[in-house]
Amino acid sequence: NAGVTQTPKFRVLKTGQSMTLLCAQDMNHEYMYWYRQDPGMGLRLIHYSVGEGTTAKGEVPDGYNVSRLKKQNFLLGLESAAPSQTSVYFCASATVMNTEAFFGQGTRLTVV
Amino acid sequence: LAKTTQPISMDSYEGQEVNITCSHNNIATNDYITWYQQFPSQGPRFIIQGYKTKVTNEVASLFIPADRKSSTLSLPRVSLSDTAVYYCLVGDMRGNTGKLIFGQGTTLQVKP
Repeated sequence: NAGVTQTPKFRVLKTGQSMTLLCAQDMNHEYMYWYRQDPGMGLRLIHYSVGEGTTAKGEVPDGYNVSRLKKQNFLLGLESAAPSQTSVYFCASATVMNTEAFFGQGTRLTVV
Repeated sequence: LAKTTQPISMDSYEGQEVNITCSHNNIATNDYITWYQQFPSQGPRFIIQGYKTKVTNEVASLFIPADRKSSTLSLPRVSLSDTAVYYCLVGDMRGNTGKLIFGQGTTLQVKP
């Protein structure tokens, strides 16, 4: 039982490049989330999903797209990376009753 | 979603009891109060959740007054390893919206 796994753990992108971050959970959770955390700041919700095939915007969705084609996976895409997207990205999953969210280990992304 | 307000930072010494208060004046009837802990370079981890009065587990206690407009996370006899950021979240247990919004959190520094 791995919990929530994020791939990759580190990545350096050049401005304008694209990439996809993968979040996988093996707990059969309905809800999945993508957050970004800048140095010294709290977590900000980018996008989230309340079930397979659904996505919704969070607090800071601009510049990101997401997909939830399979219940266990939640993908975060950056179509044209910008230096302002340099951050640590966390994925989380939770049950429908929203009792406890489980977080991945984070992806440290640097855009140069 | 109910907005939460916490102190930005707190200092304590090893062995002391630490109380972190969170204000949530516009908490809704169905909202629960949840606290998370985050260590540097890690994702947040669930600590405790409650609806009213007092909840206690092996890690902390959560005190919620009758009007539920605030809550207090109590950490007994803290150690250096309790140095972390603590987040207070307020949300609907029914998970109707699915949103999980973090505020800025309280940075607790435990000194020897």
